[in-house]
Amino acid sequence: ELKVEQNPLFLSMQEGKNYTIYCNYSTTSDRLYWYRQDPGKSLESLFVLLSNGAVKQEGRLMASLDTKARLSTLHITAAVHDLSATYFCAVRSGGGADGLTFGKGTHLIIQP
Amino acid sequence: KAGVTQTPRYLIKTRGQQVTLSCSPISGHRSVSWYQQTPGQGLQFLFEYFSETQRNKGNFPGRFSGRQFSNSRSEMNVSTLELGDSALYLCASSLIGIGGSGNTIYFGEGSWLTVV
Repeated sequence: ELKVEQNPLFLSMQEGKNYTIYCNYSTTSDRLYWYRQDPGKSLESLFVLLSNGAVKQEGRLMASLDTKARLSTLHITAAVHDLSATYFCAVRSGGGADGLTFGKGTHLIIQP
Repeated sequence: KAGVTQTPRYLIKTRGQQVTLSCSPISGHRSVSWYQQTPGQGLQFLFEYFSETQRNKGNFPGRFSGRQFSNSRSEMNVSTLELGDSALYLCASSLIGIGGSGNTIYFGEGSWLTVV
């Protein structure tokens, strides 16, 4: 059974600081997704990572994937208040038979 | 380009009743998948449909069912509602489905179901 673990689950940080959210998964996967969710809202797609060593950046967010370590990171550079949200990683199993398995989410609060 | 549209957005049902939720995917998208989100269990996969066929199914009881129409619109149904079915139900669409290579999966705003 595929398991996806995110850490930390809660993070409070100040504007201007850097931080990294980690996403570990338990079995082989050929792609990993990062989503953002604001309170009471749906999931906004941030990144889709397809291959080992993949790195994608959008604004202050950068995601990377290490398939050998079964690890993805979401790095936040010089955080701003608008990035406050819950961030989810999701993994598709190698066989693709079970839909996406999501982590529990990282609730990020960025204080001005 | 319109996004994924879900209706109704909010509803309240009584235990034992049934409910049908609707999802219209992004135009041109053929895959629709459904997820349940609760504070306790997080986001859990329900099922995926592609070209009117159920391709994948999560670990939910048979009370949860769905279907997809020829225009790719999808419905999910929950019968004999229980209090624990209270959740945000999210529909997601993509061009060629979860098994496709590299495509983004877009989520709708969700349907908030409260069972009393």
